[in-house]
Amino acid sequence: GQQVMQIPQYQHVQEGEDFTTYCNSSTTLSNIQWYKQRPGGHPVFLIQLVKSGEVKKQKRLTFQFGEAKKNSSLHITATQTTDVGTYFCAGQRGGSEKLVFGKGTKLTVNP
Amino acid sequence: DTAVSQTPKYLVTQMGNDKSIKCEQNLGHDTMYWYKQDSKKFLKIMFSYNNKELIINETVPNRFSPKSPDKAHLNLHINSLELGDSAVYFCASSQPGLAVYNEQFFGPGTRLTVL
Repeated sequence: GQQVMQIPQYQHVQEGEDFTTYCNSSTTLSNIQWYKQRPGGHPVFLIQLVKSGEVKKQKRLTFQFGEAKKNSSLHITATQTTDVGTYFCAGQRGGSEKLVFGKGTKLTVNP
Repeated sequence: DTAVSQTPKYLVTQMGNDKSIKCEQNLGHDTMYWYKQDSKKFLKIMFSYNNKELIINETVPNRFSPKSPDKAHLNLHINSLELGDSAVYFCASSQPGLAVYNEQFFGPGTRLTVL
């Protein structure tokens, strides 16, 4: 079945350092979505990437979708304590409503 | 107004009991989902309904039975609870087919603890 691998599982950074999480799908995706889950909270949608090679930015966050539409990354520049949480990628194949989530990357930021 | 709501927020029960979790969304979405998040934070889809019709049914034990009385509600009933059922259960909704985004909106979760 479809699998979405995400690394690293954990990342500890000092405030101000950069952070990147990577996502890789076993199959070509129609789109990939990113979600953030704060400790004790629920997943909240961040962005959706649809086009091959797409790059989108949200302030200090940069999202990329690979040319083959099988991998993606989320990069945070100059992390802040408010960035703490678990970041999930979730892939969707064409014709399916199912989102397959990666296992998430838990980010902790030391002030 | 809460977009996706779940009740109860916490549920502590004994092994072997039967329990239900309720979910309601006021977003007018056609599709609703149930996810299970285990202690390692792994989010796995269990079921999905589109306009009251079951469209996704993952390999979930048949002790779990979803019910959608209308497209704004998706409830989850669990029979004969087992220790391994302890997890956070999230309900979500989306409106597939949108030209731009088909993001999923998650409820606050129900933390189920089976003793």
